[in-house]
Amino acid sequence: NAGVTQTPKFQVLKTGQSMTLQCAQDMNHEYMSWYRQDPGMGLRLIHYSVGAGITDQGEVPNGYNVSRSTTEDFPLRLLSAAPSQTSVYFCASSYGGVKSGSVSYTFGSGTRLTVV
Amino acid sequence: DAKTTQPPSMDCAEGRAANLPCNHSTISGNEYVYWYRQIHSQGPQYIIHGLKNNETNEMASLIITEDRKSSTLILPHATLRDTAVYYCIVRPMYNNNDMRFGAGTRLTVKP
Repeated sequence: NAGVTQTPKFQVLKTGQSMTLQCAQDMNHEYMSWYRQDPGMGLRLIHYSVGAGITDQGEVPNGYNVSRSTTEDFPLRLLSAAPSQTSVYFCASSYGGVKSGSVSYTFGSGTRLTVV
Repeated sequence: DAKTTQPPSMDCAEGRAANLPCNHSTISGNEYVYWYRQIHSQGPQYIIHGLKNNETNEMASLIITEDRKSSTLILPHATLRDTAVYYCIVRPMYNNNDMRFGAGTRLTVKP
């Protein structure tokens, strides 16, 4: 099925551990992004990419790294997990560039991360 | 900062129309109004968007005031499955990375 696939769906980490959240899309979308959602709050942008090899920071980038080596994949790395990074993480994709004027995002189903 | 203001919560009777308001008084001429919803803890789902004119699709209608400073999302016949948080977002025409989600409106559809 076409869409955005996130893995894993659930993860528990110990403080200081590192891990990578995976995100893949099969719609040939240029634009991909990562959001985090804390309980009772809206989504906040962590990092985004407008195409392979190009990434930039969003509102809350500290503690996270990204890379975009292919159009399909946009992994999010937690270098040293902290309890403050306990959250639900969503990946999204859409067309970009001149096609971005009137397009919507497609979101993945999320990764629920707990850091203890 | 989110560019929109929405009521934190609303109730609607099943089968009735749900009218969700959104204020975006600082919207500029090259910004779209988008609506998404998030059911329980799933990923947000696109509903509809518009620039100036009213829009309708199979899910909802979007009414934008003439001065574009506010809009209303209309779910014509709300069902229990429409219970969700609804986000109104103002986004520049060619800037994908400026999609800012506020707290949204929690719509509860009651039997």
